[in-house]
Amino acid sequence: DIQMTQSPSALSASVGDRVTITCRASQNIAASYVNWYQQKPGKAPKLLIYSASSLQSGVPSRFSGSGAETDFTLTISSLQAEDFATYYCQQSNSLPFTFGPGTKVDIK
Amino acid sequence: EVQLVESGGGLVKPGRSLRLSCAASGFTFGDYAMTWFRQAPGKGLEWVGLIRTKPYGESTEYAASVKGRFTISRDDSKSIAYLQMNSLNTEDTAVYYCTRDLAPPDRFDYWGQGTLVTVSS
Repeated sequence: DIQMTQSPSALSASVGDRVTITCRASQNIAASYVNWYQQKPGKAPKLLIYSASSLQSGVPSRFSGSGAETDFTLTISSLQAEDFATYYCQQSNSLPFTFGPGTKVDIK
Repeated sequence: EVQLVESGGGLVKPGRSLRLSCAASGFTFGDYAMTWFRQAPGKGLEWVGLIRTKPYGESTEYAASVKGRFTISRDDSKSIAYLQMNSLNTEDTAVYYCTRDLAPPDRFDYWGQGTLVTVSS
């Protein structure tokens, strides 16, 4: 199975801050197979970025993704109040599909 | 508007069975694979399994933790996906989500609201 790790596990930030979350896969993954999700408490996850860098329809442009091989990044260019949530990376390169453990972004 | 609505969750004793349903609307259900995930209380997301479309034989794949106990099926005429869960144990306690799978490559753009399954004596 492909293991996904994320760092940091949690961070505190202020509105307007630039936030970067890193995801590392246990083996090389084609960029096409990495997705990022946002989850707020009590809600279902929401797809933000697919294929490492493609913005899902309706998602604000302050979200962006990049990466290749084993290292992938989610960036929020200017954190907004509604962005405080937990973020997960996920690989679809091979079954079983696996997620990172999540990065919780909260208010400083 | 695309909607996925899960139902069928609840409290069940260890060893018993439960069937979850996922009613879809707002898209041509038969054109999409459907994938189930779960999330134990306070934990991360876990892939449970998927069912492909009719052209792909409605073939299924499962996580090792549920293989042989869980079965995913679909009824395209009713736009419903099912998750039959047998021999439930306490580790199966979670919120279960159904999702629309935009494969290829697999990505999950619509999620249901989730249904809570609690396995406890």
